[in-house]
Amino acid sequence: ETGVTQSPTHLIKTRGQQVTLRCSSQSGHNTVSWYQQALGQGPQFIFQYYREEENGRGNFPPRFSGLQFPNYSSELNVNALELDDSALYLCASSLGGGGYNSPLHFGNGTRLTVT
Amino acid sequence: QKEVEQDPGPLSVPEGAIVSLNCTYSNSAFQYFMWYRQYSRKGPELLMYTYSSGNKEDGRFTAQVDKSSKYISLFIRDSQPSDSATYLCAMTTNFGNEKLTFGTGTRLTIIP
Repeated sequence: ETGVTQSPTHLIKTRGQQVTLRCSSQSGHNTVSWYQQALGQGPQFIFQYYREEENGRGNFPPRFSGLQFPNYSSELNVNALELDDSALYLCASSLGGGGYNSPLHFGNGTRLTVT
Repeated sequence: QKEVEQDPGPLSVPEGAIVSLNCTYSNSAFQYFMWYRQYSRKGPELLMYTYSSGNKEDGRFTAQVDKSSKYISLFIRDSQPSDSATYLCAMTTNFGNEKLTFGTGTRLTIIP
């Protein structure tokens, strides 16, 4: 069984640039969630995708956007990068659809540094 | 006030000791409670999850939930150096809804 994989592992960008982060979900999982983890903090929910549709969003501005593909892999896009966007970005997959006992399985994240 | 409060530590205990990690929360709608372990430079790994109040045991780990007090705990028995990590509590209103609210994490070191 393949776990959640994320790429790249590390990334350095300049303020104002755009970035795309990628995630392959665990085999059999149809739901992908993205979290932002600042240094010394717990992960903060960005949004979730279920069957290619956004299915819930946290308190993040519209410059954070995402996609989910038919194979359930996903992208997180961040436009107009700000210094405060520097964080570990975590992707998590699960078997969603309501009524399932489906805990999240996380990848190892992408460390984004904005200078 | 944060929805979930967790003492960030750091917490250092000798090998073999019993470790107690705790979180409090304010949202009475939370029904599912989880503990994740996060090693340095890794993603969170699910350790335990429980529904509503009660205890759940898995090997050396015991999770307790007291919804009346809005308080959850994780106990680690016979602690090992490999248990050194950051422990995150997380909770959600509905397991069909994968929006988890996390604590800040407690950094634990087990001293050999």
